[in-house]
Amino acid sequence: SQQGEEDPQALSIQEGENATMNCSYKTSINNLQWYRQNSGRGLVHLILIRSNEREKHSGRLRVTLDTSKKSSSLLITASRAADTASYFCATDARSGNTPLVFGKGTRLSVIA
Amino acid sequence: DTAVSQTPKYLVTQMGNDKSIKCEQNLGHDTMYWYKQDSKKFLKIMFSYNNKELIINETVPNRFSPKSPDKAHLNLHINSLELGDSAVYFCASSQRQDSGYTFGSGTRLTVV
Repeated sequence: SQQGEEDPQALSIQEGENATMNCSYKTSINNLQWYRQNSGRGLVHLILIRSNEREKHSGRLRVTLDTSKKSSSLLITASRAADTASYFCATDARSGNTPLVFGKGTRLSVIA
Repeated sequence: DTAVSQTPKYLVTQMGNDKSIKCEQNLGHDTMYWYKQDSKKFLKIMFSYNNKELIINETVPNRFSPKSPDKAHLNLHINSLELGDSAVYFCASSQRQDSGYTFGSGTRLTVV
C-alpha cells in the first residue's frame, strides 16, 4: 500500500510554539500534498511539493521532502488557536491515474 | 459561490434503504472523486471520474454506483444500505491528476 503514515497521531502545543508533523510513504511519488481538516468540515489543500523539490514555503507553513527516505515534514511556525485541526499528508503515485492516497492524519491542538 | 457542494450534509436512514448523495463543482475541473472517511478519520478513495468517464473504481461493493451526467456533477447512489456504510462521504475535484484537490464539506451518513 502506498498509504502515508503521519507522526505523531496527536500533538498538543501552546500558542506561539512551532508544530512539526511528519509523514512517511512507501512508493515512488509525483508529488506530496498536505491538507487541513477542521472538525466537521472538508479537507483544505495547504501545499503541494513535487518529487524534485526539497523544501517549500507558504506563509507560516514550511514543507520538506526527502525522497530517499520517503518522508516529508510539515512545520507550522508561531501557531495559533485557529491552527487546531487534523493534518493529512497525501501522495500521488508515479504510476497511472492513481488518485491521492491519504495518511491517517495528525490531530493538532493549539492551546491559547 | 461554493466551489464543491454536496447535498445533503446529513443523512440518517434505515438499513436496506436506497439513498443518493449529490455533488457539483463549479471550478471547471476535469476530475472528480468520492472518498469515504471512517470513524477513525481514515480517508479511502472510492471512485474517480475524468470528464464523465470512470477511471478508478476501488474495491467498493456493487451497492455503490456513481453517476456523472456531466463533468461538473458526480453523484453517488447507494442501494440496500448497511450499518457499515455509516461514515462521512467526501466529494472532491481537481484540474489534473497531479494538482491539489478541492473538497466538499462532506455528507455524514448514519445507517440505523
